[in-house]
Amino acid sequence: DGGITQSPKYLFRKEGQNVTLSCEQNLNHDAMYWYRQDPGQGLRLIYYSQIVNDFQKGDIAEGYSVSREKKESFPLTVTSAQKNPTAFYLCASSTGRYSGANVLTFGAGSRLTVL
Amino acid sequence: ILNVEQSPQSLHVQEGDSTNFTCSFPSSNFYALHWYRWETAKSPEALFVMTLNGDEKKKGRISATLNTKEGYSYLYIKGSQPEDSATYLCASSGANNLFFGTGTRLTVIP
Repeated sequence: DGGITQSPKYLFRKEGQNVTLSCEQNLNHDAMYWYRQDPGQGLRLIYYSQIVNDFQKGDIAEGYSVSREKKESFPLTVTSAQKNPTAFYLCASSTGRYSGANVLTFGAGSRLTVL
Repeated sequence: ILNVEQSPQSLHVQEGDSTNFTCSFPSSNFYALHWYRWETAKSPEALFVMTLNGDEKKKGRISATLNTKEGYSYLYIKGSQPEDSATYLCASSGANNLFFGTGTRLTVIP
């Protein structure tokens, strides 16, 4: 089945540690995205990538880093510089280069808790 | 950053009732309006993307309308079923970003 796989589903991290969330898609989509969800807030864009080896900051990129070495993969690293990393993280993808009308396909999410 | 608001935050309806909820967004620089359904422990899935004022889209018992001049979209569910229980997200876009509302959480009581 085509889709987006995020791992791990749950992750616990100690303060000061970096952690990497995996996102893999087999949909042959060009664009991939990372969103963050916090209670009482809408999804907020962290980073997006429209093509391999290129990515752009979203609205809340501080304390995060990404890479796009392969079309299928868009891992997100939550660094120790992220002041409030406990959240639910969603990865998404879409066909074509990013535009506001492209339908997003989402993964099932990763919940990160900082102890 | 666009301010996208959804109402109500949550609602409970009886099985068989029809219901609707609202998404409000800034009408200036409008590009597209998305609706997604997000069931617990699953991935959000796309319902509709609408771009033109007056657009109406339908998928089974679910339909949506769009008014870009006044900045709102309605989502309607006819004859709600327990499997319709989910959070319904809307998102409004400029050319290069989507801004999501906080969602409407629907519970359909059998």
